[in-house]
Amino acid sequence: EIVLTQSPGTLSLSPGERATLSCRASQSVSSSYLAWYQQKPGQAPRLLIYGASSRATGIPDRFSGSGSGTDFTLTISRLEPEDFAVYYCQQYGSSPTFGQGTKVEIK
Amino acid sequence: QVQLQESGPGLVKPSETLSLTCAVSGYSISSGYYWGWIRQPPGKGLEWIGSIYHSGSTYYNPSLKSRVTISVDTSKNQFSLKLSSVTAADTAVYYCASSSSMVAPFDYWGQGTLVTVSS
Repeated sequence: EIVLTQSPGTLSLSPGERATLSCRASQSVSSSYLAWYQQKPGQAPRLLIYGASSRATGIPDRFSGSGSGTDFTLTISRLEPEDFAVYYCQQYGSSPTFGQGTKVEIK
Repeated sequence: QVQLQESGPGLVKPSETLSLTCAVSGYSISSGYYWGWIRQPPGKGLEWIGSIYHSGSTYYNPSLKSRVTISVDTSKNQFSLKLSSVTAADTAVYYCASSSSMVAPFDYWGQGTLVTVSS
């Protein structure tokens, strides 16, 4: 099983600031089969990024993903009020697994 | 637009079997796609339970495989989850979701249903 470790656990930022979230895999993720999801309280996760760097349909371009192998990053260039949420990475190259999440909270 | 809706009992007794159904609208299950179950214990992260293809091929999380059965009913355009011998650790919000293949992310999700295991 590929274990995904996200850091930091919590990120305290102000609207307009840049957010950088990390996801590290215990072994190489095949073909960059890495996705990022956003989850708000009481809601299902929403797909943001797939293939490590491709934005899903309707996702604003302030969200970007990068990385390969075992190290991946989600960047939110300028935080909007609606971006404060929990973010999960997921690998789907083998039996799917998720990271434990990073909470982006208002400072 | 694919829509998914979970249904089933919100309370299950320990040692019994949890049963949930996911109704799919806006897309015919027989047309393809993979249909999966993911759960999230209160205040915790996400765990993939398993997925099924319309043909009936199944893929399970190794840690849950001995207790999980996922089936599909193309005539009703729905798929189901059974999790046997449940304990309090199985208390979670259960989501159904879809992916275009087994090497694809989950792009459509149901709203989730809370299942509590308690006597």
